[in-house]
Amino acid sequence: GAVVSQHPSWVICKSGTSVKIECRSLDFQATTMFWYRQFPKQSLMLMATSNEGSKATYEQGVEKDKFLINHASLTLSTLTVTSAHPEDSSFYICSARPAGTYYNEQFFGPGTRLTVL
Amino acid sequence: LAKTTQPISMDSYEGQEVNITCSHNNIATNDYITWYQQFPSQGPRFIIQGYKTKVTNEVASLFIPADRKSSTLSLPRVSLSDTAVYYCLVGADTGTASKLTFGTGTRLQVTL
Repeated sequence: GAVVSQHPSWVICKSGTSVKIECRSLDFQATTMFWYRQFPKQSLMLMATSNEGSKATYEQGVEKDKFLINHASLTLSTLTVTSAHPEDSSFYICSARPAGTYYNEQFFGPGTRLTVL
Repeated sequence: LAKTTQPISMDSYEGQEVNITCSHNNIATNDYITWYQQFPSQGPRFIIQGYKTKVTNEVASLFIPADRKSSTLSLPRVSLSDTAVYYCLVGADTGTASKLTFGTGTRLQVTL
């Protein structure tokens, strides 16, 4: 149980285009989902916290107009990288926190590798 | 959020027990200690979580001393497939706003 999927697993796009990444909790409901970014050989950096039915909370330094997050249902959150540039190339990982859990246990998706040419 | 300090890297031979210690001197009363494992190009995977004393599951043990200022993840008889980065996180459950802050992690390399 507690499986989180991401789609696509990898994407290559041209500079200036927008890319949407989906994060789904397959067998549980998640009132809260998180989006992380990870550069090679670095740790995960939290970008934003997404709550179902409300606006996302962005971490300091993360541009909310560039990284659009939508959490339309209890099982789906999307991250759209708008007007992507080569510096946005990274590994994007989402996680979901099952509703009703009490501890800091999150389930992570497999990640999406974004390459911007 | 309490800051954590871990060794950057560790090496081990297959079959040995590996202990990774994490320091969290300013841990708060309601903070839990959680460990995640991450393989290259994959999302982190939850390993174990504890509050105090010892916790054991099918893959690892977590030792937490009485003062809770450190914790040790113990991996019994590691294999090559345990080569990964291990993250120690400390934080409290603040409801839906609870979030995880990842430190640098410990890169464990297991060889024959």
